[in-house]
Amino acid sequence: AQSVTQLGSHVSVSEGALVLLRCNYSSSVPPYLFWYVQYPNQGLQLLLKYTSAATLVKGINGFEAEFKKSETSFHLTKPSAHMSDAAEYFCAVRVSGNTPLVFGKGTRLSVIA
Amino acid sequence: GAVVSQHPSRVICKSGTSVKIECRSLDFQATTMFWYRQFPKQSLMLMATSNEGSKATYEQGVEKDKFLINHASLTLSTLTVTSAHPEDSSFYICSARPRDSPSNYGYTFGSGTRLTVV
Repeated sequence: AQSVTQLGSHVSVSEGALVLLRCNYSSSVPPYLFWYVQYPNQGLQLLLKYTSAATLVKGINGFEAEFKKSETSFHLTKPSAHMSDAAEYFCAVRVSGNTPLVFGKGTRLSVIA
Repeated sequence: GAVVSQHPSRVICKSGTSVKIECRSLDFQATTMFWYRQFPKQSLMLMATSNEGSKATYEQGVEKDKFLINHASLTLSTLTVTSAHPEDSSFYICSARPRDSPSNYGYTFGSGTRLTVV
């Protein structure tokens, strides 16, 4: 069975600082990996996804993630945090086209002015 | 892009009553919808997989008689919480993807329903 582990339930950064949210996956077959963002009382919005075409994936709002098979990681980064980035971020995995997403526990990002 | 409309966004009901939550795929056909439950400050837990025209598949520990899922058409799935109790208070979210989308397509999520049982 596949799973994801997000290290750090809460990350706090200063505005303009680098954002790094960690995600490690476990899967017996090549996985599809995703990062979603959730604002309070809202659904989830897709930030980016790993499609196997490129290991460095660029998403919306300046976020990107790098797939490292040797480290079974898919960490999310953004060079410069903005106040509007404060939200909950979820890493998710699935192994085939129509199976449900399996989510990590989420990381709450706080941005300090 | 694909849009999933979820209603209501918030509902308060009395203990013992039933509540229906709807998810509609507005611009695509969804043969499969997934229903998740999210407790405060926690992750999303899969409740069931809803397939158009057939019975839903429930995850272990989810009471199928309490959480009734219907997927009568390719654009509509409903979750009915029957005889609701305060412990059913939670955030419920549905997700789906277009029927003919590639296998690496990210699912689209509804905006969620905040259920409060008093």
